[in-house]
Amino acid sequence: GQNIDQPTEMTATEGAIVQINCTYQTSGFNGLFWYQQHAGEAPTFLSYNVLDGLEEKGRFSSFLSRSKGYSYLLLKELQMKDSASYLCAVRDRNNNAGNMLTFGGGTRLMVKP
Amino acid sequence: KAGVTQTPRYLIKTRGQQVTLSCSPISGHRSVSWYQQTPGQGLQFLFEYFSETQRNKGNFPGRFSGRQFSNSRSEMNVSTLELGDSALYLCASSRGQNEKLFFGSGTQLSVL
Repeated sequence: GQNIDQPTEMTATEGAIVQINCTYQTSGFNGLFWYQQHAGEAPTFLSYNVLDGLEEKGRFSSFLSRSKGYSYLLLKELQMKDSASYLCAVRDRNNNAGNMLTFGGGTRLMVKP
Repeated sequence: KAGVTQTPRYLIKTRGQQVTLSCSPISGHRSVSWYQQTPGQGLQFLFEYFSETQRNKGNFPGRFSGRQFSNSRSEMNVSTLELGDSALYLCASSRGQNEKLFFGSGTQLSVL
């Protein structure tokens, strides 16, 4: 089985930087995803990490350490529109896992002026 | 390139009825996965289809079923609806295994 933990809520100020952490335990790791979800909308793909290290994409970066079972999503130059839930999800390596993702509970980020 | 398309967007049913939801994946994507999202349980995996075959199934009762057609479009069916089935049902498509998953806008199902 898998267990994924991330903070429930975070608050940050417009223009600042925020780091959202995700820790996981899995019997076989095969990739970690970050999604952004605004209230009432579908999750939007942000990043995918399968190897250790930092992946940068504009204002968003995602980091993975497989040995520590740890990832973080870094958001720079925060904007009000970044207020959303951020979902961490892990894919298992087991033969039949296919594209089955296990999601954390999500981190609700509130950006204040 | 069109994204993942789900229909209908909203649905209201009563207990005991059955419902069918539809998902059209991104062109060229052969894997379709279904997820249920509720405030209490978050996002939970229902099942995945690849080349018309169910590849994996989550921990849901047999009332939840699905299928995939030769054009990769997928449907999921829930029979004998219960109040607890009220949720956002999300479909995600991918080129294949070990690829990125992209979600549709979902179908918001309310069971009264």
